[in-house]
Amino acid sequence: SQQGEEDPQALSIQEGENATMNCSYKTSINNLQWYRQNSGRGLVHLILIRSNEREKHSGRLRVTLDTSKKSSSLLITASRAADTASYFCATDGVWSGGSNYKLTFGKGTLLTVNP
Amino acid sequence: EAQVTQNPRYLITVTGKKLTVTCSQNMNHEYMSWYRQDPGLGLRQIYYSMNVEVTDKGDVPEGYKVSRKEKRNFPLILESPSPNQTSLYFCASSLRGNYEQYFGPGTRLTVT
Repeated sequence: SQQGEEDPQALSIQEGENATMNCSYKTSINNLQWYRQNSGRGLVHLILIRSNEREKHSGRLRVTLDTSKKSSSLLITASRAADTASYFCATDGVWSGGSNYKLTFGKGTLLTVNP
Repeated sequence: EAQVTQNPRYLITVTGKKLTVTCSQNMNHEYMSWYRQDPGLGLRQIYYSMNVEVTDKGDVPEGYKVSRKEKRNFPLILESPSPNQTSLYFCASSLRGNYEQYFGPGTRLTVT
């Protein structure tokens, strides 16, 4: 069953603006990851945030995680045309035996950054 | 160079003709996985493997088989392909199951 769900489905902004994408999930997790996909290509890992972390930064990326709301957000600051891509969140699951090692991806947010 | 390779990259085949899509990684990763990507449905996991000879079903395993005889290889087998298996397929690997995944370039499969 689908775990992560991104919002919005599509986002169009101007170069230099910030882009915020959200991800909601349903069950407890160990980690949440964000990936980027340029059209038709393989996904590229951006950032991983663990369930005991609230915020993480990597360059122009800022990820937050709110486990009480089961949601995460990805902020891209000072966007560039090269940031145009689809962005996916991926979650694993937790059960009594530990991590289930099944990564579930959402349907993605298509970000378009206009020059 | 650390990478995940898939072959073939493009394949057009007919219903019922068995095919294999190969996946290989050179990073000594324990975990490997197959996904399919379809418009409006996102990425869905087909099968995954936590180590040699250890495989398990993902969310959409019907119509697919896998094997993990060596650590570096994780082929995806379609015994009798059908048109609903037309899709973009990705192989991925990671050190452990819930670590960052490295994706292959994808295989675009069309079944007529």
